[in-house]
Amino acid sequence: LAKTTQPISMDSYEGQEVNITCSHNNIATNDYITWYQQFPSQGPRFIIQGYKTKVTNEVASLFIPADRKSSTLSLPRVSLSDTAVYYCLGTRTSGTYKYIFGTGTRLKVLA
Amino acid sequence: DAGVIQSPRHEVTEMGQEVTLRCKPISGHDYLFWYRQTMMRGLELLIYFNNNVPIDDSGMPEDRFSAKMPNASFSTLKIQPSEPRDSAVYFCASSLSPPGTPNTEAFFGQGTRLTVV
Repeated sequence: LAKTTQPISMDSYEGQEVNITCSHNNIATNDYITWYQQFPSQGPRFIIQGYKTKVTNEVASLFIPADRKSSTLSLPRVSLSDTAVYYCLGTRTSGTYKYIFGTGTRLKVLA
Repeated sequence: DAGVIQSPRHEVTEMGQEVTLRCKPISGHDYLFWYRQTMMRGLELLIYFNNNVPIDDSGMPEDRFSAKMPNASFSTLKIQPSEPRDSAVYFCASSLSPPGTPNTEAFFGQGTRLTVV
């Protein structure tokens, strides 16, 4: 099972860069690393996905070291509206592929 | 496309009653997922379908829960009989390709908040 571990919560201030790290020690060779964001009373929403090195889109960057046992989601210059829960996903289990959500990191952005 | 559509948005029912949650996936998506979210257990995958066929139902908590996908545009999750511990937000999601494959994301609906009293 692709188990992920990430901090339970983080606080930040507006305008700061936020980095959330996820550990996935038993990630499989072919697995992609995916991050989702969930606002209160809404379903999770895809943020970014990567396999190795660095991926950047209009929302975030994803850094993945060579051993792929961890990944770091980077949110540049956060605002109050970035307050949400951020999930790092494992996707594999024996025999079938699944989106497996861990506990997530509850990010609170303060003014 | 309007996205994944779930109904109802809120459901309050009495213990012992049958509850049916409905989901319309995004057109063309071959994968459909049912999740349950509670404060205690977080987001749990209950079951998922590929091309209307259940692939993995290992997350279904017990026989009181059943899910069907009679066609590519409709799925139901039924609880019979319902119990207070079933109270949760139930999400439906759909995706074009299998989880974990590149350039694939799951699109979630707004969820159904179920309260069993």
